Amino acid sequence: NAGVTQTPKFQVLKTGQSMTLQCAQDMNHEYMSWYRQDPGMGLRLIHYSVGAGITDQGEVPNGYNVSRSTTEDFPLRLLSAAPSQTSVYFCASSYSGTFNYGYTFGSGTRLTVV
Amino acid sequence: KQEVTQIPAALSVPEGENLVLNCSFTDSAIYNLQWFRQDPGKGLTSLLLIQSSQREQTSGRLNASLDKSSGRSTLYIAASQPGDSATYLCAPGDDKIIFGKGTRLHILP
Repeated sequence: NAGVTQTPKFQVLKTGQSMTLQCAQDMNHEYMSWYRQDPGMGLRLIHYSVGAGITDQGEVPNGYNVSRSTTEDFPLRLLSAAPSQTSVYFCASSYSGTFNYGYTFGSGTRLTVV
Repeated sequence: KQEVTQIPAALSVPEGENLVLNCSFTDSAIYNLQWFRQDPGKGLTSLLLIQSSQREQTSGRLNASLDKSSGRSTLYIAASQPGDSATYLCAPGDDKIIFGKGTRLHILP
Protein backbone atom coordinates (compact mmCIF):
# COMPACT_ATOMS: atom_id res chain seq x y z
CA ASN A 1 0.00 0.00 0.00
CA ALA A 2 1.26 3.45 -0.91
CA GLY A 3 -1.15 5.14 1.53
CA VAL A 4 -1.82 8.82 0.80
CA THR A 5 0.39 10.24 -1.93
CA GLN A 6 0.77 13.99 -2.45
CA THR A 7 2.49 15.60 -5.40
CA PRO A 8 4.49 17.73 -5.80
CA LYS A 9 6.46 17.89 -2.54
CA PHE A 10 7.67 21.43 -3.21
CA GLN A 11 6.37 24.17 -5.51
CA VAL A 12 7.12 27.83 -6.11
CA LEU A 13 4.44 29.87 -7.88
CA LYS A 14 4.23 33.45 -8.99
CA THR A 15 1.29 35.54 -7.85
CA GLY A 16 -1.66 34.98 -10.15
CA GLN A 17 -0.56 31.59 -11.44
CA SER A 18 -2.80 28.57 -11.11
CA MET A 19 -1.90 25.06 -10.12
CA THR A 20 -3.32 21.79 -8.83
CA LEU A 21 -2.03 19.92 -5.83
CA GLN A 22 -2.58 16.22 -6.29
CA CYS A 23 -3.72 13.76 -3.64
CA ALA A 24 -4.29 10.05 -4.21
CA GLN A 25 -5.02 7.17 -1.87
CA ASP A 26 -5.13 3.47 -2.59
CA MET A 27 -7.00 2.35 0.53
CA ASN A 28 -10.54 2.77 -0.84
CA HIS A 29 -11.24 5.44 1.79
CA GLU A 30 -14.50 7.35 1.44
CA TYR A 31 -13.43 10.40 3.45
CA MET A 32 -10.75 12.76 2.15
CA SER A 33 -9.68 16.21 3.35
CA TRP A 34 -7.28 19.02 2.59
CA TYR A 35 -5.54 21.09 5.29
CA ARG A 36 -3.11 23.95 5.34
CA GLN A 37 -0.61 24.48 8.12
CA ASP A 38 0.83 27.86 8.97
CA PRO A 39 3.08 28.86 11.89
CA GLY A 40 1.00 29.79 14.91
CA MET A 41 -2.28 28.84 13.18
CA GLY A 42 -2.15 25.07 13.38
CA LEU A 43 -3.83 22.84 10.81
CA ARG A 44 -6.93 24.33 9.24
CA LEU A 45 -9.44 22.43 7.13
CA ILE A 46 -9.83 23.76 3.56
CA HIS A 47 -12.26 21.34 1.89
CA TYR A 48 -13.39 17.82 2.53
CA SER A 49 -15.27 15.02 0.78
CA VAL A 50 -17.35 12.12 2.12
CA GLY A 51 -17.36 10.24 -1.17
CA ALA A 52 -17.03 10.49 -4.92
CA GLY A 53 -19.06 13.40 -6.25
CA ILE A 54 -19.55 15.01 -2.83
CA THR A 55 -17.45 17.90 -1.50
CA ASP A 56 -17.95 20.54 1.17
CA GLN A 57 -16.18 23.59 2.53
CA GLY A 58 -14.05 23.58 5.62
CA GLU A 59 -12.75 26.44 7.77
CA VAL A 60 -10.73 28.31 5.11
CA PRO A 61 -12.10 27.48 1.63
CA ASN A 62 -11.65 30.83 -0.12
CA GLY A 63 -9.24 30.73 -3.05
CA TYR A 64 -9.38 26.96 -3.40
CA ASN A 65 -11.49 24.57 -5.48
CA VAL A 66 -11.86 20.82 -5.20
CA SER A 67 -13.62 18.00 -7.01
CA ARG A 68 -13.93 14.29 -6.31
CA SER A 69 -14.63 12.38 -9.51
CA THR A 70 -13.16 9.11 -8.20
CA THR A 71 -12.77 7.55 -4.77
CA GLU A 72 -8.99 7.56 -5.12
CA ASP A 73 -8.25 11.17 -6.09
CA PHE A 74 -8.98 14.51 -4.45
CA PRO A 75 -7.11 17.36 -6.21
CA LEU A 76 -6.89 20.86 -4.74
CA ARG A 77 -6.86 23.73 -7.24
CA LEU A 78 -5.52 27.22 -6.68
CA LEU A 79 -7.10 29.37 -9.38
CA SER A 80 -5.02 32.52 -8.86
CA ALA A 81 -2.26 32.08 -6.32
CA ALA A 82 -1.66 34.77 -3.70
CA PRO A 83 1.24 35.17 -1.25
CA SER A 84 -1.24 34.46 1.57
CA GLN A 85 -1.52 30.91 0.21
CA THR A 86 2.13 30.21 1.01
CA SER A 87 1.81 27.26 3.35
CA VAL A 88 2.30 23.55 3.83
CA TYR A 89 -0.65 21.57 2.50
CA PHE A 90 -1.66 18.16 3.82
CA CYS A 91 -4.14 15.68 2.40
CA ALA A 92 -5.75 13.01 4.58
CA SER A 93 -8.16 10.10 4.14
CA SER A 94 -10.20 7.68 6.23
CA TYR A 95 -12.82 4.99 6.05
CA SER A 96 -16.35 6.03 6.98
CA GLY A 97 -18.73 4.99 9.72
CA THR A 98 -17.94 2.10 12.00
CA PHE A 99 -14.92 1.22 9.85
CA ASN A 100 -13.32 4.59 10.60
CA TYR A 101 -9.98 3.61 12.07
CA GLY A 102 -8.67 7.14 11.95
CA TYR A 103 -7.13 9.40 9.36
CA THR A 104 -3.96 8.78 7.40
CA PHE A 105 -2.02 11.82 6.23
CA GLY A 106 0.16 12.43 3.23
CA SER A 107 3.67 13.81 3.63
CA GLY A 108 2.66 17.31 2.55
CA THR A 109 3.29 19.86 -0.21
CA ARG A 110 5.31 22.95 0.65
CA LEU A 111 4.02 25.82 -1.51
CA THR A 112 5.62 29.23 -1.81
CA VAL A 113 3.88 32.03 -3.68
CA VAL A 114 6.14 34.94 -4.63
CA LYS B 1 -18.74 24.79 14.69
CA GLN B 2 -16.11 22.63 16.31
CA GLU B 3 -13.46 24.47 18.30
CA VAL B 4 -10.54 22.62 19.83
CA THR B 5 -8.31 23.93 22.61
CA GLN B 6 -5.13 22.27 23.80
CA ILE B 7 -3.48 23.08 27.11
CA PRO B 8 -0.67 23.70 27.73
CA ALA B 9 0.57 25.25 24.50
CA ALA B 10 4.13 24.25 25.41
CA LEU B 11 5.69 22.03 28.03
CA SER B 12 9.26 21.22 29.07
CA VAL B 13 9.86 18.40 31.51
CA PRO B 14 12.87 16.31 32.60
CA GLU B 15 13.26 12.87 31.15
CA GLY B 16 11.45 10.13 33.05
CA GLU B 17 8.49 12.20 34.20
CA ASN B 18 4.89 11.23 33.56
CA LEU B 19 2.84 13.95 31.92
CA VAL B 20 -0.68 14.78 30.79
CA LEU B 21 -1.73 16.77 27.75
CA ASN B 22 -5.23 18.20 27.70
CA CYS B 23 -7.70 18.74 24.88
CA SER B 24 -11.16 20.28 25.05
CA PHE B 25 -13.71 20.55 22.23
CA THR B 26 -17.06 22.28 21.85
CA ASP B 27 -19.08 19.87 19.70
CA SER B 28 -19.52 16.55 21.51
CA ALA B 29 -21.57 15.01 18.69
CA ILE B 30 -18.55 13.03 17.51
CA TYR B 31 -17.78 9.37 17.35
CA ASN B 32 -13.99 9.51 17.10
CA LEU B 33 -11.10 11.49 18.51
CA GLN B 34 -7.58 11.02 17.24
CA TRP B 35 -4.25 12.05 18.71
CA PHE B 36 -1.33 12.77 16.39
CA ARG B 37 2.32 13.57 16.77
CA GLN B 38 4.23 15.95 14.50
CA ASP B 39 7.98 16.38 14.45
CA PRO B 40 9.40 19.71 13.20
CA GLY B 41 9.14 19.99 9.42
CA LYS B 42 7.48 16.61 9.13
CA GLY B 43 4.04 15.16 8.55
CA LEU B 44 1.52 13.79 11.04
CA THR B 45 1.82 10.41 12.70
CA SER B 46 -1.30 8.90 14.21
CA LEU B 47 -0.83 7.84 17.82
CA LEU B 48 -4.22 6.76 19.08
CA LEU B 49 -7.83 6.72 17.96
CA ILE B 50 -10.56 6.66 20.58
CA GLN B 51 -14.08 5.79 19.60
CA SER B 52 -16.81 7.04 21.92
CA SER B 53 -17.82 3.49 22.77
CA GLN B 54 -14.28 2.80 24.02
CA ARG B 55 -13.58 5.92 26.10
CA GLU B 56 -9.91 4.94 26.48
CA GLN B 57 -7.07 3.58 24.34
CA THR B 58 -3.53 2.51 25.18
CA SER B 59 -0.44 2.06 23.04
CA GLY B 60 2.82 1.38 24.83
CA ARG B 61 3.57 4.30 27.14
CA LEU B 62 0.64 6.32 25.76
CA ASN B 63 -2.88 6.32 27.13
CA ALA B 64 -5.68 8.50 25.80
CA SER B 65 -9.09 8.99 27.35
CA LEU B 66 -12.26 10.58 26.04
CA ASP B 67 -15.15 12.12 27.96
CA LYS B 68 -17.68 13.24 25.38
CA SER B 69 -20.14 14.60 27.94
CA SER B 70 -17.61 17.17 29.15
CA GLY B 71 -15.92 17.66 25.77
CA ARG B 72 -12.51 16.59 27.01
CA SER B 73 -9.71 14.23 26.12
CA THR B 74 -6.36 13.64 27.77
CA LEU B 75 -3.15 12.07 26.51
CA TYR B 76 -1.03 10.52 29.23
CA ILE B 77 2.65 9.83 28.49
CA ALA B 78 4.44 7.61 30.97
CA ALA B 79 8.18 7.68 31.66
CA SER B 80 8.89 10.38 29.08
CA GLN B 81 11.97 10.13 26.84
CA PRO B 82 13.84 12.73 24.74
CA GLY B 83 12.44 11.00 21.64
CA ASP B 84 8.96 12.04 22.76
CA SER B 85 9.82 15.66 21.99
CA ALA B 86 7.35 16.80 19.32
CA THR B 87 4.07 18.64 18.89
CA TYR B 88 1.01 16.65 19.93
CA LEU B 89 -2.28 17.36 18.19
CA CYS B 90 -5.81 16.49 19.21
CA ALA B 91 -8.42 16.04 16.44
CA PRO B 92 -12.06 15.20 17.15
CA GLY B 93 -14.41 14.37 14.30
CA ASP B 94 -15.69 11.76 11.88
CA ASP B 95 -16.38 12.82 8.27
CA LYS B 96 -13.90 15.61 8.92
CA ILE B 97 -11.52 16.31 11.78
CA ILE B 98 -10.71 19.68 13.29
CA PHE B 99 -7.38 20.30 14.97
CA GLY B 100 -6.27 22.17 18.03
CA LYS B 101 -3.07 24.21 17.82
CA GLY B 102 -1.22 21.49 19.64
CA THR B 103 1.08 21.15 22.63
CA ARG B 104 4.84 21.52 21.94
CA LEU B 105 6.55 19.04 24.20
CA HIS B 106 10.25 19.17 25.02
CA ILE B 107 11.76 16.39 27.10
CA LEU B 108 15.02 17.44 28.73
CA PRO B 109 17.75 14.75 28.81
